[in-house]
Amino acid sequence: GENVEQHPSTLSVQEGDSAVIKCTYSDSASNYFPWYKQELGKRPQLIIDIRSNVGEKKDQRIAVTLNKTAKHFSLHITETQPEDSAVYFCAASMGWEYGNKLVFGAGTILRVKS
Amino acid sequence: DTAVSQTPKYLVTQMGNDKSIKCEQNLGHDTMYWYKQDSKKFLKIMFSYNNKELIINETVPNRFSPKSPDKAHLNLHINSLELGDSAVYFCASSQDSPSGGYNEQFFGPGTRLTVL
Repeated sequence: GENVEQHPSTLSVQEGDSAVIKCTYSDSASNYFPWYKQELGKRPQLIIDIRSNVGEKKDQRIAVTLNKTAKHFSLHITETQPEDSAVYFCAASMGWEYGNKLVFGAGTILRVKS
Repeated sequence: DTAVSQTPKYLVTQMGNDKSIKCEQNLGHDTMYWYKQDSKKFLKIMFSYNNKELIINETVPNRFSPKSPDKAHLNLHINSLELGDSAVYFCASSQDSPSGGYNEQFFGPGTRLTVL
């Protein structure tokens, strides 16, 4: 089955700096890659996603890149702010034939120091 | 206006007991999921239902039995609770179809289960 690895497990940055979180997946059949943000004690919430027919997607300070050949995708947050502090999860899905299930990475604790 | 709701929010119980967690979504979605988040924050899918039919059962012990009375509800019943069942359980829903197209999975607020 699909396996998703996520690095780093913790990341501390200074406010205003950029943060990059990387994920790799094992099954080339995966074709949907969402990123979720989970604040302490709260539910995971989608912040951005990318489909396999796209190499990059941007939404304000957040961007995601996908390299299908290398089977890795990354989350980029620019101009970080204290409210960006949370746990970030990457995930991969192989689509309807596999129940659209999301296989999550282990998460990255992002701390933005002001 | 809550999209995906779960009850209870907290559940503390003794080993060996049977308990249920309820989930409801008012988004009109046709697929619902249960995820387990362990103490290390790892999120893993347990079950998914599409239009009340079981689609995914991720080798979860049969002490866990999901029930979907209609496509807006997916409840989770757990028999003979064990210490290792302590975790946060999240319900989620999405609008999916065999024709493809991936849509966001919306998560409920979670139920923190503590087994003593």
